[in-house]
Amino acid sequence: NAGVIQTPRHKVTGKGQEATLWCEPISGHSAVFWYRQTIVQGLEFLTYFRNQAPIDDSGMPKERFSAQMPNQSHSTLKIQSTQPQDSAVYLCASSSDRYEQYFGPGTRLTVL
Amino acid sequence: GDSVTQTEGLVTLTKGLPVMLNCTYQTTYSPFLFWYVQHLNEAPKLLLKSSTDNKRTEHQGFYATLHKSSSSFHLQKSSVQLSDSALYFCALSDTGAPRFGAGTKLSVKP
Repeated sequence: NAGVIQTPRHKVTGKGQEATLWCEPISGHSAVFWYRQTIVQGLEFLTYFRNQAPIDDSGMPKERFSAQMPNQSHSTLKIQSTQPQDSAVYLCASSSDRYEQYFGPGTRLTVL
Repeated sequence: GDSVTQTEGLVTLTKGLPVMLNCTYQTTYSPFLFWYVQHLNEAPKLLLKSSTDNKRTEHQGFYATLHKSSSSFHLQKSSVQLSDSALYFCALSDTGAPRFGAGTKLSVKP
């Protein structure tokens, strides 16, 4: 079991560019969660999927952020027109039920 | 709506002393409560979980008891070690999206 896989581990973009972050959940897990972590804001919930269907995106910024889960083996978080305030560690987690989550190593996004 | 409150942002202790990190929550449902630990430059990992009222749960020397009457799930350890220095998150899960507290940074000094 390789755990939750996130790629890339580090990404640097210029202001206004697009960033796509990938997450491969643990095989057999039905739920995938996305979080953003910064020193100032802490751990912020963004969105989650269950059985590939979007369940709750209440934490997603309404503009520029979108998430998809086209199949059970991966999910993507896309940020369009990145801004410096988007700089953060983006964490993906998966779960086999509604409860215990297993986190990936995160993608550190730096927007210059 | 659901929420989790961790009152301490930073706790600094000397090795060998006991620690209690506070966690209270609000929900109208029957919750699962969790403690996650995040060491520097690592991902959060599950430390403890519970949904049973008044039952102590333990792992790696840490323990917590869910008290539904006071909506609390405080994390304790009788003797902290240098390796316990980390960020600790309390989290709540019921019928909706999981809710995390702001986190408590535990710093253990020699």
